[in-house]
Amino acid sequence: EPEVTQTPSHQVTQMGQEVILRCVPISNHLYFYWYRQILGQKVEFLVSFYNNEISEKSEIFDDQFSVERPDGSNFTLKIRSTKLEDSAMYFCASSEIRTSGGVNEQFFGPGTRLTVL
Amino acid sequence: AQTVTQSQPEMSVQEAETVTLSCTYDTSESNYYLFWYKQPPSRQMILVIRQEAYKQQNATENRFSVNFQKAAKSFSLKISDSQLGDTAMYFCAFMKHEGGNTPLVFGKGTRLSVIA
Repeated sequence: EPEVTQTPSHQVTQMGQEVILRCVPISNHLYFYWYRQILGQKVEFLVSFYNNEISEKSEIFDDQFSVERPDGSNFTLKIRSTKLEDSAMYFCASSEIRTSGGVNEQFFGPGTRLTVL
Repeated sequence: AQTVTQSQPEMSVQEAETVTLSCTYDTSESNYYLFWYKQPPSRQMILVIRQEAYKQQNATENRFSVNFQKAAKSFSLKISDSQLGDTAMYFCAFMKHEGGNTPLVFGKGTRLSVIA
């Protein structure tokens, strides 16, 4: 069964460094998302991406964050200058586009645990 | 803005017993979707069950069923005949009904342990 994959599973970085989190969505999916979960907190939406542009973003997704689909398979989240408060689990998700209405299930990856020291 | 509240951080249940996980939400939307996701230890979140707000009938998927009370904005998950493989974190989530690809709004989760 197709799955969303994410690399690395755990990333440790120093404050102020740039990190890139990688995701490979399910191959026929066209909508991509990033969510994050700070330890003990809710899973929060960061950004959605469709047709090579940001579809929607939350207030968390400020200028320090960017997303990209550099090729036909990867979807990346870049944090330009990491802060201590960026330490969290980052989840990628993807969904297909359904033209007949209804809701499209979001399929989640296993997450990348980011630790900022 | 929508909010989702799961008031039970942890629960446990004996194998083969029934357990109910609570979820309440707040929204001014009239049409929306509600979901329960399961996240087993070190595994990805998978969809357990979904409910469309305009449907009065409660959704059921095998041993999983929901009690959807729209007026009370309540959406609880009942797991019957609990199995060891049901041990996981369970997240309740809300989605606005706009095109089918809007962001999910999650609760904080309930950690369920099924005890042999």
